[in-house]
Amino acid sequence: GQQLNQSPQSMFIQEGEDVSMNCTSSSIFNTWLWYKQDPGEGPVLLIALYKAGELTSNGRLTAQFGITRKDSFLNISASIPSDVGIYFCAGRQGSYGNKLVFGAGTILRVKS
Amino acid sequence: NAGVTQTPKFRVLKTGQSMTLLCAQDMNHEYMYWYRQDPGMGLRLIHYSVGEGTTAKGEVPDGYNVSRLKKQNFLLGLESAAPSQTSVYFCASSRDRGRRYSNQPQHFGDGTRLSIL
Repeated sequence: GQQLNQSPQSMFIQEGEDVSMNCTSSSIFNTWLWYKQDPGEGPVLLIALYKAGELTSNGRLTAQFGITRKDSFLNISASIPSDVGIYFCAGRQGSYGNKLVFGAGTILRVKS
Repeated sequence: NAGVTQTPKFRVLKTGQSMTLLCAQDMNHEYMYWYRQDPGMGLRLIHYSVGEGTTAKGEVPDGYNVSRLKKQNFLLGLESAAPSQTSVYFCASSRDRGRRYSNQPQHFGDGTRLSIL
């Protein structure tokens, strides 16, 4: 199946630092989504991107839809302890069924 | 508004046993999905449904069956459980990609943790 390469696999950062993670693919996607999963819960949508080059913010989070449509980036500014969790990128290619392909996730740990 | 509700939350089975996982959504969404989540592999699509009475295979459908008899419910069945099916199972739903509601994001339940011994 389709693969999304998400990096880094994990991060351990100081509170207050900025965080960057990205997702790349050899295929073109028409939508990129970023989800966060807290322990024992399901993924929750953070940001959705629908156009190549689009830059969208949600509070301290900013995500971009790469111009080539093969990648996306998520930045978190001034990290806080509650940012801990697993961040997933997801991409959608076609429209039938609204199906998504997910990256393997980036585990974020924040040192307070 | 409960969103997507999965039952049960935890279950332990013996190899060869059968069981059904239930997913219910109260958002009137057309599309529903079942995923499994394994360490280091993200979420992989098992089966999905684009409407009541319809189902389709995803990336990893073998060993699972599904049914969508009612729009709000999507059932995932394991006829003969195997240890390889030990995983966390997530259900999700989304709106149809209609003209006004294109590219609708998926909303997830909190998961069912299934262990097969």
